[in-house]
Amino acid sequence: KQEVTQIPAALSVPEGENLVLNCSFTDSAIYNLQWFRQDPGKGLTSLLLIQSSQREQTSGRLNASLDKSSGRSTLYIAASQPGDSATYLCAVTTSGTYKYIFGTGTRLKVLA
Amino acid sequence: GAGVSQSPSNKVTEKGKDVELRCDPISGHTALYWYRQSLGQGLEFLIYFQGNSAPDKSGLPSDRFSAERTGGSVSTLTIQRTQQEDSAVYLCASSPWTGGGYEQYFGPGTRLTVT
Repeated sequence: KQEVTQIPAALSVPEGENLVLNCSFTDSAIYNLQWFRQDPGKGLTSLLLIQSSQREQTSGRLNASLDKSSGRSTLYIAASQPGDSATYLCAVTTSGTYKYIFGTGTRLKVLA
Repeated sequence: GAGVSQSPSNKVTEKGKDVELRCDPISGHTALYWYRQSLGQGLEFLIYFQGNSAPDKSGLPSDRFSAERTGGSVSTLTIQRTQQEDSAVYLCASSPWTGGGYEQYFGPGTRLTVT
């Protein structure tokens, strides 16, 4: 059974710092991994999708990497801003199914 | 273009009543997913549709929960005889296909409160 863990659960950093969020999964047979952000009381906003054959994806200040063999993904946020404050979720689809299994999230606060 | 929409955005109901939650996927998306986000359980899968059929209903927590999809478009999630533990945010997502490489696009959710 696929399990997804995110560390740390919460993170508070000063504005301008580069930071790394971690996502671990137990079954390496995945189709893809997707990173989302969720603002309080809102739905999910897709950030990056990494397919199983890819190693990383970049969008603006965000870079996500995928290491299937070790069951890990990292989301790198460069030059953090207060507007980046949100909960970040990773989710994976495991081969043979199409549903997402979500991690527990990292609650990020960027201080001005 | 228009994203995934859900209605109502908020629903307060009394314990024991039935509720219906609606999802309008992105036009042309054949796959549709329902998830639930509650405080104690995080975000969990409920059911998904490919067209009008539901190959995977494994996440539905009890037989009080059912869902249907008509015309390969709109989907309705029905909860009968609601209980307080059903209180959660219900999220719908759609994707062009259920192939593993496709991104899922999420709606804003319906916040259900059972009093």
